[in-house]
Amino acid sequence: ETGVTQTPRHLVMGMTNKKSLKCEQHLGHNAMYWYKQSAKKPLELMFVYNFKEQTENNSVPSRFSPECPNSSHLFLHLHTLQPEDSALYLCASSQASPGAQETQYFGPGTRLLVL
Amino acid sequence: GESVGLHLPTLSVQEGDNSIINCAYSNSASDYFIWYKQESGKGPQFIIDIRSNMDKRQGQRVTVLLNKTVKHLSLQIAATQPGDSAVYFCAENMIGGGSNYKLTFGKGTLLTVNP
Repeated sequence: ETGVTQTPRHLVMGMTNKKSLKCEQHLGHNAMYWYKQSAKKPLELMFVYNFKEQTENNSVPSRFSPECPNSSHLFLHLHTLQPEDSALYLCASSQASPGAQETQYFGPGTRLLVL
Repeated sequence: GESVGLHLPTLSVQEGDNSIINCAYSNSASDYFIWYKQESGKGPQFIIDIRSNMDKRQGQRVTVLLNKTVKHLSLQIAATQPGDSAVYFCAENMIGGGSNYKLTFGKGTLLTVNP
């Protein structure tokens, strides 16, 4: 256990569905991240939140909508996804501070299949 | 562009042997590097990190070597065990949005330990 939990662990959805992924960290960190992991590709950073403020949007399509209500919770709202969005979605957290080098701790991921 | 990559996509070793996993990075300004292990069905797990003011760091059965001259990073696993079978990623730490440091990941090396 890394202190970062994600639900659901598996999700199958149609292209017209709306669903949400949830991440919670119990480490007291103030930065949270969403990554996409596709087969045979490096981990792709999607969004970064620092103290609930979004500080990075890595050119992610608008069909992915993040929400960070507090430093411990992070959501990824999904709507009208495409089959190529099928992937493992990973959440991570870290202790972010100016000038500090931070280790990111990952959750187990949500395996998403878009039909 | 800047990138972090791995020399070998797969590595197969016998149980008890030592394993060496290599990583090349291209951003000479990077100053923090992390190795992660990802087992099947799980998120990446932190193994060991190293800062650019060091050239070697040891953990339990693992050693990370950093050669800044040739921008090369390696992970050595001593007495490799079946439980070490996983994908290993190196990650490079660069300043991202705001005060955050953004990790850039390599593609990963699949380590298989044969009994």
